[in-house]
Amino acid sequence: GEDVEQSLFLSVREGDSSVINCTYTDSSSTYLYWYKQEPGAGLQLLTYIFSNMDMKQDQRLTVLLNKKDKHLSLRIADTQTGDSAIYFCADTGFQKLVFGTGTRLLVSP
Amino acid sequence: EAQVTQNPRYLITVTGKKLTVTCSQNMNHEYMSWYRQDPGLGLRQIYYSMNVEVTDKGDVPEGYKVSRKEKRNFPLILESPSPNQTSLYFCASSTWGRNQPQHFGDGTRLSIL
Repeated sequence: GEDVEQSLFLSVREGDSSVINCTYTDSSSTYLYWYKQEPGAGLQLLTYIFSNMDMKQDQRLTVLLNKKDKHLSLRIADTQTGDSAIYFCADTGFQKLVFGTGTRLLVSP
Repeated sequence: EAQVTQNPRYLITVTGKKLTVTCSQNMNHEYMSWYRQDPGLGLRQIYYSMNVEVTDKGDVPEGYKVSRKEKRNFPLILESPSPNQTSLYFCASSTWGRNQPQHFGDGTRLSIL
């Protein structure tokens, strides 16, 4: 079945760029998503990319997709303390989203 | 405001005592789904529904039931809860279509003693 993997933890300083990486196995993926989960809250859709795109930029967020290597990354420019959260990569499986384990981003002042 | 609403947000209960977690969406979405989130495992799908009276099992359906009598509501039922169902639960909805982004509720934290 489909599988999505992420590193568990990333620590950066405020003002630096953060890069969160994700790999997936489903070669038929059409959309790939990034969700953000803040403490005590649900999942907030940050951005998504269609599989025929290599890159998508949305303000401070840049998504890069390497379809050959099945690698997805989320870059957050000028990271702020308010960006501290868990970030989930998700792939569109059959009638569901297939989630990675989430990457906890800690931003220190 | 477009939203997915879950109740309760928190519940501590005992083994074997039936409970229901409600989920309601106001976006007229056809598709609804339940996930559970456990440390180190990400989110796993329990059940989903493509429309009224149409439900199907996800990856981890054992010990759960659902119903979809109305389009806006998709309750999750634990007939005889056990400690291994202690988890954080999320309801999600979207318009019909494989690639439509899903909207999530704020979660329900269940503790089964």
